[in-house]
Amino acid sequence: KQEVTQIPAALSVPEGENLVLNCSFTDSAIYNLQWFRQDPGKGLTSLLLIQSSQREQTSGRLNASLDKSSGRSTLYIAASQPGDSATYLCAVTPPSMNRDDKIIFGKGTRLHILP
Amino acid sequence: KAGVTQTPRYLIKTRGQQVTLSCSPISGHRSVSWYQQTPGQGLQFLFEYFSETQRNKGNFPGRFSGRQFSNSRSEMNVSTLELGDSALYLCASKRDSSNEKLFFGSGTQLSVL
Repeated sequence: KQEVTQIPAALSVPEGENLVLNCSFTDSAIYNLQWFRQDPGKGLTSLLLIQSSQREQTSGRLNASLDKSSGRSTLYIAASQPGDSATYLCAVTPPSMNRDDKIIFGKGTRLHILP
Repeated sequence: KAGVTQTPRYLIKTRGQQVTLSCSPISGHRSVSWYQQTPGQGLQFLFEYFSETQRNKGNFPGRFSGRQFSNSRSEMNVSTLELGDSALYLCASKRDSSNEKLFFGSGTQLSVL
């Protein structure tokens, strides 16, 4: 059974610092991994999607990596800004489309960038 | 291009009642999925619909049901509400049945008293 863990649950860093968010999963048989951002009381915004065959994806100041052998993904945020404050969730999609498989989300890391 | 629209934004119900939530996907998207988010359990998958057919279902009781219409709009129904059903209910859409990026609505905050 796939389990997705995000540690730490909360993180505070000064503005301008580079930071790394972690996502661990127990079953390496995945189709893709997605990183999302969620602002309080709002829905999720997709940030990056890494296919199973890829090692990393980049978008602006964000870089996500995937290491299936170790069951880990990291989200790197460069030159953090107060607007980056949000909860970041990762989600793992299973390889098959049968009715028993479903997307699994981590519980997120609540990030606070200190001005 | 309009995003995913969920209505209503907030709902207050009492135990035993039923509730229907609505989700309009991005134009051209044919897959709609529903999720429940609570502080304790996090974000959990409820079900996915594609071309009016339920493709996948999470581990929720039969009180949770849904449907999708020919225009891809979807509704979710919860019958015999329990206090534990209080949550943020999110829907997401994507173009087709493949595993690509999900686009989420802002959610419906349901409070059961």
